[in-house]
Amino acid sequence: AQTVTQSQPEMSVQEAETVTLSCTYDTSENNYYLFWYKQPPSRQMILVIRQEAYKQQNATENRFSVNFQKAAKSFSLKISDSQLGDTAMYFCAFILFGNEKLTFGTGTRLTIIP
Amino acid sequence: GAVVSQHPSWVICKSGTSVKIECRSLDFQATTMFWYRQFPKQSLMLMATSNEGSKATYEQGVEKDKFLINHASLTLSTLTVTSAHPEDSSFYICSARDWAQGPDTQYFGPGTRLTVL
Repeated sequence: AQTVTQSQPEMSVQEAETVTLSCTYDTSENNYYLFWYKQPPSRQMILVIRQEAYKQQNATENRFSVNFQKAAKSFSLKISDSQLGDTAMYFCAFILFGNEKLTFGTGTRLTIIP
Repeated sequence: GAVVSQHPSWVICKSGTSVKIECRSLDFQATTMFWYRQFPKQSLMLMATSNEGSKATYEQGVEKDKFLINHASLTLSTLTVTSAHPEDSSFYICSARDWAQGPDTQYFGPGTRLTVL
């Protein structure tokens, strides 16, 4: 079974700073996808970024980028120039290619301090 | 991006009554939808996978007779909590897969907060 581990329950950072959220996963499969979802206080789950395991290039979406280390099974999220609106729970998630079920990590609560 | 709606956003009901929650994909067709449950300060727990025109697939430990799922059309899935009890109080979230965006990506509804008195 696949597992996703987020070792940082809570983090806080000053506005405009850069923060990195950690995620590791465990799988014996080779083809899969990884995601970071954001859940702000409204509790709406929002897709932040997506990475295909077969791609070596790290995904980037504006201020959000990932550091995908396949051999180490690590998938960290870097938020640059953090903004107050980035305050949220962040969930790392995993899905096998051809499968349907997302496996979520336990989440990291990120607070951006003005 | 794809939009998924849920209705109601919150509901309070008496113990023993049934509550229906709707999940709609607004701008795409979703052959597969998912129902999650989230307890305070915890992650999402998958309850069941809902496939249009067929029976839902429930995760281990989820009572299918208590949590009835119907996926009658390509844009609507419903979750009915039957004979609700206080321990059923939770935040319920649905998601839908938009195959046009890739088979792996799920889009989430805004959630429904259920409180059973």
